[in-house]
Amino acid sequence: DAEITQSPRHKITETGRQVTLACHQTWNHNNMFWYRQDLGHGLRLIHYSYGVQDTNKGEVSDGYSVSRSNTEDLPLTLESAASSQTSVYFCASSGGLAGSEQYFGPGTRLTVT
Amino acid sequence: AQSVAQPEDQVNVAEGNPLTVKCTYSVSGNPYLFWYVQYPNRGLQFLLKYITGDNLVKGSYGFEAEFNKSQTSFHLKKPSALVSDSALYFCAVREPDNRLAFGKGNQVVVIP
Repeated sequence: DAEITQSPRHKITETGRQVTLACHQTWNHNNMFWYRQDLGHGLRLIHYSYGVQDTNKGEVSDGYSVSRSNTEDLPLTLESAASSQTSVYFCASSGGLAGSEQYFGPGTRLTVT
Repeated sequence: AQSVAQPEDQVNVAEGNPLTVKCTYSVSGNPYLFWYVQYPNRGLQFLLKYITGDNLVKGSYGFEAEFNKSQTSFHLKKPSALVSDSALYFCAVREPDNRLAFGKGNQVVVIP
């Protein structure tokens, strides 16, 4: 069965370190998204991609970057981790048709100390 | 920009009673609307969507939603709530570029 996976599921890191969160999907979807979920804020879009070599900034992109070198993967990098980036991160993917639903990964809980 | 609002933070309902989770939308043009559910320590799961056609949409786990254009609403419903329905529910609307704009979520608590 097709799926979307994230790794690691939990990560503790120190302020200032670079961290990369992995997202891999086997749906063969063109569209991929990264969100963060914080209490009181719901889901906020960080970055998204509509295909290989395409990346776009979402509403909370400062301090984050992504790259899309193939269809299956969209890694999220925190260039210099800050305590404000402690959150739960979700990756999602969707097909290219208008109205396609997004499928979500299980999430990565990141703690920056 | 398209947006949705979920006016209640938490919905409490007794097991076996009808469950309603409210969502209103603000869009230009025809809306594409979605409902997702999130169980503790899990990712969001797709429940149902409205694109066009019948105003009553049926989805997973016995849920349905009613699209009401005059009231700009897309409320999620279940005739008889189960304790296992206790979760966080998100309404979302599609942006023109295929992104989704999510509401803040509703915590549903089903009381045994």
